[in-house]
Amino acid sequence: DIVMTQSPDSLAVSLGERATITCKSSQSVFFSSNNKNYLAWYQQKPGQPPKLLIYWASTRESGVPDRFTGSGSGTDFTLTIGSLQAEDVAVYYCQQYGYPPRTFGQGTKLEIK
Amino acid sequence: QVQLQQWGAGLLNPSETLSLTCAVHGESFQNNLYYSWIRQPPGKGPEWIGEINHSGSTNYNPSLQSRVTISVDTSNNQFSLKLTSVTAADTAVYYCARGKLQAWEVHLYWGQGTLVTVSS
Repeated sequence: DIVMTQSPDSLAVSLGERATITCKSSQSVFFSSNNKNYLAWYQQKPGQPPKLLIYWASTRESGVPDRFTGSGSGTDFTLTIGSLQAEDVAVYYCQQYGYPPRTFGQGTKLEIK
Repeated sequence: QVQLQQWGAGLLNPSETLSLTCAVHGESFQNNLYYSWIRQPPGKGPEWIGEINHSGSTNYNPSLQSRVTISVDTSNNQFSLKLTSVTAADTAVYYCARGKLQAWEVHLYWGQGTLVTVSS
């Protein structure tokens, strides 16, 4: 199985400041056949299912604010929230979906400082 | 608008079989994406259980493969999860999910979740 490791486990950022979460996979999730990284980011708020934010490592899902940006390739990926809003308080998960089992990271809890 | 509605027993005794069903509303089963089951133990991250496509082709998590079956009923726009011989370690919120056409394997639409507790 591919192991997904996120850092940090928790993060406190001031409103309006930038938040950065990293995700590392134990093997590359880049497929040269279609030149894509099979990496997604989800946001989960208490009592709700996860919400898809980013797929193909950097493609924002429809309706997701442009302050959310995904980047990276191969084994190293980053989710950046450009200007933190109060509604961004949540747990964020990365997931590789290139190989079954489609494994998730352990999560990063984002709070307001 | 696509909606997933799931149901099934929420309290099981050890060794029983977990059975959940997910109905897809707002569209017919799509050919080119996956329908998945994911679980989340209390206070922990999600765990991918497995997936099925329109034609019934499945992928399972090897850690659960000996106990899990995912099936599809396209005539009723439903897919189901069965997990046999449950233990307390199977206690979790179980979600069904549907992929997206541009990326079959991600989870765009989610069911509301079902808390399944295994306890004697």
